Amino acid sequence: GESVGLHLPTLSVQEGDNSIINCAYSNSASDYFIWYKQESGKGPQFIIDIRSNMDKRQGQRVTVLLNKTVKHLSLQIAATQPGDSAVYFCAENKGNFNKFYFGSGTKLNVKP
Amino acid sequence: DAMVIQNPRYQVTQFGKPVTLSCSQTLNHNVMYWYQQKSSQAPKLLFHYYDKDFNNEADTPDNFQSRRPNTSFCFLDIRSPGLGDAAMYLCATSRPPGEPQHFGDGTRLSIL
Repeated sequence: GESVGLHLPTLSVQEGDNSIINCAYSNSASDYFIWYKQESGKGPQFIIDIRSNMDKRQGQRVTVLLNKTVKHLSLQIAATQPGDSAVYFCAENKGNFNKFYFGSGTKLNVKP
Repeated sequence: DAMVIQNPRYQVTQFGKPVTLSCSQTLNHNVMYWYQQKSSQAPKLLFHYYDKDFNNEADTPDNFQSRRPNTSFCFLDIRSPGLGDAAMYLCATSRPPGEPQHFGDGTRLSIL
C-alpha cells in the first residue's frame, strides 16, 4: 500500500475570522509563485499568483505577500468560510517558468 | 468547459505489472506535467513536456516513463510498479511562459 505520509500542519480558525497561511520557499532564483487550494479527492486549484517584482497582490478575499529577503510567502484569506477548508500549497518555479515545485502544505480547518 | 481529464480515477494493479495512466486536455496548452502525490504530502514533479520536448526531473526513477502523442494527450507509464509507487498521480497543463497550471483530479493508484 501507500507509504505513511507526513503529518500536515493544521490551522484551525473560526468562520468569519481572517486566516494567514505561511510558506518558506527554497530557491532564491524563484521569480514566480502560486498558491493552490486542494480539496479532498481533487486536484490543486489555482487561487492567486505573484511575481518577484511585486511584494503584494490582492484577489477576491485573498492577498498574497512576498518577502524575498527571507524567502517567505503568505496567503491571507479574509472572512474565512467553511468552503475554504482544504489543504493549501505554495509553489515556486525556481527560475524556470515552465516548472513548478510545491511546498509542504497547510491544512485549513474552518469551524462554523 | 475546457479542462484536464484523467482516466481512470482509480486504478489497481499488481506488483510488477506495467500500468498506464492517461491525461487529456481541451485547453490546447503547450506544457503538460505529471506529479506524484503521496498521502498528506505535496505533489512532486516527475516530468513535463513542452510541446514534444520531454523534461525529466533528476530524481524521477527510471521506472517512470511518459509519452505525448499529440497536444491533447499525455500518458504516464510505470514499467514495474512497486508498493512505494502507490499514490495519487496528477496531470496538469499550462500555457507558457509563467501562467498557472490547471490540474486534473488525479488517478489514485493502488498496488496489490
